[in-house]
Amino acid sequence: NAGVMQNPRHLVRRRGQEARLRCSPMKGHSHVYWYRQLPEEGLKFMVYLQKENIIDESGMPKERFSAEFPKEGPSILRIQQVVRGDSAAYFCASSPPGTPASEQFFGPGTRLTVL
Amino acid sequence: GESVGLHLPTLSVQEGDNSIINCAYSNSASDYFIWYKQESGKGPQFIIDIRSNMDKRQGQRVTVLLNKTVKHLSLQIAATQPGDSAVYFCAEKDGGTSYGKLTFGQGTILTVHP
Repeated sequence: NAGVMQNPRHLVRRRGQEARLRCSPMKGHSHVYWYRQLPEEGLKFMVYLQKENIIDESGMPKERFSAEFPKEGPSILRIQQVVRGDSAAYFCASSPPGTPASEQFFGPGTRLTVL
Repeated sequence: GESVGLHLPTLSVQEGDNSIINCAYSNSASDYFIWYKQESGKGPQFIIDIRSNMDKRQGQRVTVLLNKTVKHLSLQIAATQPGDSAVYFCAEKDGGTSYGKLTFGQGTILTVHP
């Protein structure tokens, strides 16, 4: 059973461009979480999604950031008009329905660099 | 807002020693605590968890202690090995939610010398 997959692993964008980060959860998992990690800091919760629904986006910046988890395909974290402050590692985690937080499995992350 | 934090940012130990990593939390409503290990360039890896109605839980070479009186969490690693070198994070689960919305601490860098 493959783990959580994220791509690309590294992404370089210039200011003003768009960044699209993809997350494929583990097989059978219908819950996806996105976290952001700045250098030498812990992860910060961004958004929690179930299939086709955003459940909690309290950690998402109000502008330029959006997330989706369609019925088919990976979850997408989209950052429009990127700025240097968006440079960070973005991790997604997945869990099956009906399990506690400890069942949350993390992907390897996408490291976004904004020039 | 309430947060989870760590006392020591770095810890260096000799191979074979026991390691203790500490974490302070401030949200008395948190019902679940988790320790994660993160190696360079990788995502966090689950180590061990503990519910708020417990004060101790043991795994393979690891023990987590929870002191709710002083809101303190610790991770003990027995017979530390070089492969244990990593950044360790404590995280708390929001007790007001049924899903895994986690708040992470800043992290402790553990270095194990052969």
